[in-house]
Amino acid sequence: DAKTTQPPSMDCAEGRAANLPCNHSTISGNEYVYWYRQIHSQGPQYIIHGLKNNETNEMASLIITEDRKSSTLILPHATLRDTAVYYCIVRVAGGTGTASKLTFGTGTRLQVTL
Amino acid sequence: DTAVSQTPKYLVTQMGNDKSIKCEQNLGHDTMYWYKQDSKKFLKIMFSYNNKELIINETVPNRFSPKSPDKAHLNLHINSLELGDSAVYFCASSQFGGNRINIQYFGAGTRLSVL
Repeated sequence: DAKTTQPPSMDCAEGRAANLPCNHSTISGNEYVYWYRQIHSQGPQYIIHGLKNNETNEMASLIITEDRKSSTLILPHATLRDTAVYYCIVRVAGGTGTASKLTFGTGTRLQVTL
Repeated sequence: DTAVSQTPKYLVTQMGNDKSIKCEQNLGHDTMYWYKQDSKKFLKIMFSYNNKELIINETVPNRFSPKSPDKAHLNLHINSLELGDSAVYFCASSQFGGNRINIQYFGAGTRLSVL
């Protein structure tokens, strides 16, 4: 799986958009970008994924650059409940055996403040 | 209904003891995982089972023995507990198949403290 680079921490005011960047310059053509988050004392939670097109769901939007070497997770209206560690992971779709695992990096600690 | 449930939530025990952590998922998934999150918050895969068959074993000491009696359950038994085993253990599940996007759903975790 390609390695990812994320800033260790970010702050965001409540109600504002939180833009979390991720660099994955060695991503392969068949690798997807996944985002998970971990709220304190909880298990990781899936947010969104994408291959090359921008994606949006009820939780967030994912913007992937045309060369696919970086992406940005956007929480359009951050709330205090969005305070968490956000993980950007790249891996192939499906896959068997060791290809099925998620390799978590250190992530970005997002602090949403009043 | 909790999709992936782990028991117990907290486990405090003495060095040298043997303990088990249970995991059950009601999502109808065919693949289950155990992850370990240490004190520095690094989250790492330990094991994975697909249809009761072990498919991932990430250089975990053989004191750790996963058991999957059926697709909905993956239990973790730990023998001769050591101080370094103290961590939060997360169970997860997902559905496999061809090019299906593998989204993993995690339990709330079991915080193991070895004294």
